[in-house]
Amino acid sequence: KAGVTQTPRYLIKTRGQQVTLSCSPISGHRSVSWYQQTPGQGLQFLFEYFSETQRNKGNFPGRFSGRQFSNSRSEMNVSTLELGDSALYLCASSGSPQETQYFGPGTRLLVL
Amino acid sequence: GQNIDQPTEMTATEGAIVQINCTYQTSGFNGLFWYQQHAGEAPTFLSYNVLDGLEEKGRFSSFLSRSKGYSYLLLKELQMKDSASYLCAARPAGTALIFGKGTTLSVSS
Repeated sequence: KAGVTQTPRYLIKTRGQQVTLSCSPISGHRSVSWYQQTPGQGLQFLFEYFSETQRNKGNFPGRFSGRQFSNSRSEMNVSTLELGDSALYLCASSGSPQETQYFGPGTRLLVL
Repeated sequence: GQNIDQPTEMTATEGAIVQINCTYQTSGFNGLFWYQQHAGEAPTFLSYNVLDGLEEKGRFSSFLSRSKGYSYLLLKELQMKDSASYLCAARPAGTALIFGKGTTLSVSS
């Protein structure tokens, strides 16, 4: 089975721009979670989707949004980028929200 | 509040045994996960405990005590490739996984 894939792998943006990141889960998985990872804060939870519905949301500003499509693929969007948004964004999928999560390779975002 | 604590750094030598501890405070509890993350890579799943006791998987074992809010990951016969960050994550009731900040393990020869 193919693993979780994320595109793009690397991204450079400037402050004020917006960005959309994509995640394709493992085939058959219907739950997708997004995390932001920075050296100082570790893995911070952003959102969790299951069957196109957002089940949980982390403590991030409204500039961070996401969605899940009927094929379980998910996207997250960050508008009005700030320098502090520079991070590794990880997507993880599982069969259902209670099951083990498997991570994709991540998208490394640099905001200049 | 919900919180996970684990040591920031640990060092060990090849062939040794190391135990990485994790304590958690969550509203309800639906399981404890351990992940390994090498520098520049994504976390990979190591183990899952939902009942008290020890789960063994090759050189790696994980222990859980729900009454104490405590888990540990035991790594035996350490190898250089075990140098990585080890993440403890707990699942509270009805909410998303909460991750600790990770323990960076350095294995030297």
